Amino acid sequence: DAGITQSPRHKVTETGTPVTLRCHQTENHRYMYWYRQDPGHGLRLIHYSYGVKDTDKGEVSDGYSVSRSKTEDFLLTLESATSSQTSVYFCAISESVYSNQPQHFGDGTRLSIL
Amino acid sequence: DQQVKQNSPSLSVQEGRISILNCDYTNSMFDYFLWYKKYPAEGPTFLISISSIKDKNEDGRFTVFLNKSAKHLSLHIVPSQPGDSAVYFCAASEARGGSEKLVFGKGMKLTVNP
Repeated sequence: DAGITQSPRHKVTETGTPVTLRCHQTENHRYMYWYRQDPGHGLRLIHYSYGVKDTDKGEVSDGYSVSRSKTEDFLLTLESATSSQTSVYFCAISESVYSNQPQHFGDGTRLSIL
Repeated sequence: DQQVKQNSPSLSVQEGRISILNCDYTNSMFDYFLWYKKYPAEGPTFLISISSIKDKNEDGRFTVFLNKSAKHLSLHIVPSQPGDSAVYFCAASEARGGSEKLVFGKGMKLTVNP
């Protein structure tokens, strides 16, 4: 199994509060991703990183920010959580995007915003 | 606009028989295709992939077929086992363009009955 740890695994919080999810990898992979999974939508890319301090937006980035200060850590922040951000969040990593290397996923964080 | 479509939400098969999961895509720039399997409360697990320069890739009981002219791919599982019961996601990317972004279908729930 790829060495990916997501924390926390479960979180319940209130609308308007800030939330930070952490993804930690031990594989030294260059690329890291944050997805959300919702019923009827599959997985949708929120933000991704192609190196330390290098990030870019995905398909559903509004309301989210990310940071990557070290190769091994990729943080996803909801500055002011809304109920529409209740979801399961998955982190993924990959070694390369040019040699057809698959992304490998963590076990997810289930976030409920009341 | 959904670029990767898994039009059947579920499939039920008997143990030992073949399972065929289908996926259609609309973006002709996609050149790398993947299948992931997901169990409840776990992250997606990479299963098998295929590059657009091939039309078939095999790995044990799993075979993926790609029909570029029809923009269609399928995953065959032979023989199906109860442990294959999971949600399967089809995904695609523009790998030759160096795209980091995977686009996922909505998923299909496979149930293999003993």
